[in-house]
Amino acid sequence: QSALTQPASVSGSPGQSITISCTGTSSDVGSYNLVSWYQQHPGKAPKLMIFEVSKLPSGLSSRFSGSKSGNTASLTISGLQAEDEADYYCCSYAFSSTAWLFGGGTKVTVL
Amino acid sequence: QLQLQESGPGLVKPSETLSLTCTVSGGFISSSTYYWGWIRQPPGKGLEWIGSIYYSGSTHYNPSLKSRVTISVDTSNNQFSLKLSSVTAADTAVYYCVRPYSSGLLQPFDIWGQGTMVTVSS
Repeated sequence: QSALTQPASVSGSPGQSITISCTGTSSDVGSYNLVSWYQQHPGKAPKLMIFEVSKLPSGLSSRFSGSKSGNTASLTISGLQAEDEADYYCCSYAFSSTAWLFGGGTKVTVL
Repeated sequence: QLQLQESGPGLVKPSETLSLTCTVSGGFISSSTYYWGWIRQPPGKGLEWIGSIYYSGSTHYNPSLKSRVTISVDTSNNQFSLKLSSVTAADTAVYYCVRPYSSGLLQPFDIWGQGTMVTVSS
């Protein structure tokens, strides 16, 4: 069982917006803004999409955005495109265990 | 452009030690202030952070693996390495070497190697 909880799957039609949640505790997601999100296409290495809850790495599409409320972080993909179909993982530093924790991953399907 | 490349045996016997090396190209480990790291992913499963090392040799390990993990750095060859002892089938995974987005310990993982599959089996 993963330390951070994500829904197993989320789907949407092209052009729609979807949101993926990532629930942790006050010792990880809820403390400081050290949540990041990764996109992984089959057979490929993960790619950093969001860091420090809501910051976008340079060059990445602004269709991706992040937020946090309490112990739950969220990734929103706006204007869903076929290329967004992938697995998405959240990640947070846990000060209690001094370790980086990942969620179990969410499979995004574009209908 | 910085690139990372993992190398090492693809098959390791149970109870033995898994050894992997990450070669850095397009930049120098010794000239930067990053924590270089290792992350793994069992087949069909999620990601697990293994640990990180500073160019000076300071390490930071996942407590769940700490007793079996050693990460070292070889600045002369621009490489850093992972050793995982007493492996079992549960250590079968794709192993990635990574570099964070910025310098400092608590940084997200930005640059990834392509990954190397390691199978633990007799």
